[in-house]
Amino acid sequence: DIQMTQSPSSLSASVGDRVTITCRASQSISSYLNWYQQKPGKAPKLLIYAASSLQSGVPSRFSGSGSGTDFTLTISSLQPEDFATYYCQQSYSTPHTFGQGTRLEIK
Amino acid sequence: QVQLVQSGAEVKKPGASVKVSCKASGYTFTGYYMHWVRQAPGQGLEWMGRINPNSGGTNYAQKFQGRVTMTRDTSISTAYMELSRLRSDDTAVYYCARDGRSIRGNGPYYFDYWGQGTLVTVSS
Repeated sequence: DIQMTQSPSSLSASVGDRVTITCRASQSISSYLNWYQQKPGKAPKLLIYAASSLQSGVPSRFSGSGSGTDFTLTISSLQPEDFATYYCQQSYSTPHTFGQGTRLEIK
Repeated sequence: QVQLVQSGAEVKKPGASVKVSCKASGYTFTGYYMHWVRQAPGQGLEWMGRINPNSGGTNYAQKFQGRVTMTRDTSISTAYMELSRLRSDDTAVYYCARDGRSIRGNGPYYFDYWGQGTLVTVSS
């Protein structure tokens, strides 16, 4: 199975900050990398697919980059509604494994 | 609009089975894979498997092989996930999620619509 490792596991930031979350795959996954946002008690929400494609309706302050084994999710200017947990996921092969999550908290 | 509506919360005893349903609407049910993902309390997301609603073909995570069965009823656009021989560590919220890539298409897989989740509690 492909292992996905996110860093950091948690992060404190302020409204307006630029934030970057990284995700590393245990082997090359080309650009088969997705990012999700999850708020407490809610289902995950797709933000980015295929490493850098913004899902319809997602604000443009979210962006993704990377290929191979190393990927990043960037939020250019944090808004109050962005405080949540973020997960990366590989869809290169089954099982479609997730990273352990990054909890983004208000500083 | 695409909607996935799951069945309600369940409480089961260890050793029992649970069957969760996921009713799809707003799109061609047989055109897209359906995945199942679970999340234990306070934990991350875990992919369990997927079903091709057109053929009924399935892929399961090795961890659940022999305990999980995914099926579908195309006449009512509903997917099912049954987990047997339940243990306390199966207590989790179970989600269905549609794969955004058409079964006949090319390109990456991604989960664009999710059900609301079904809490399954396993307790004696």
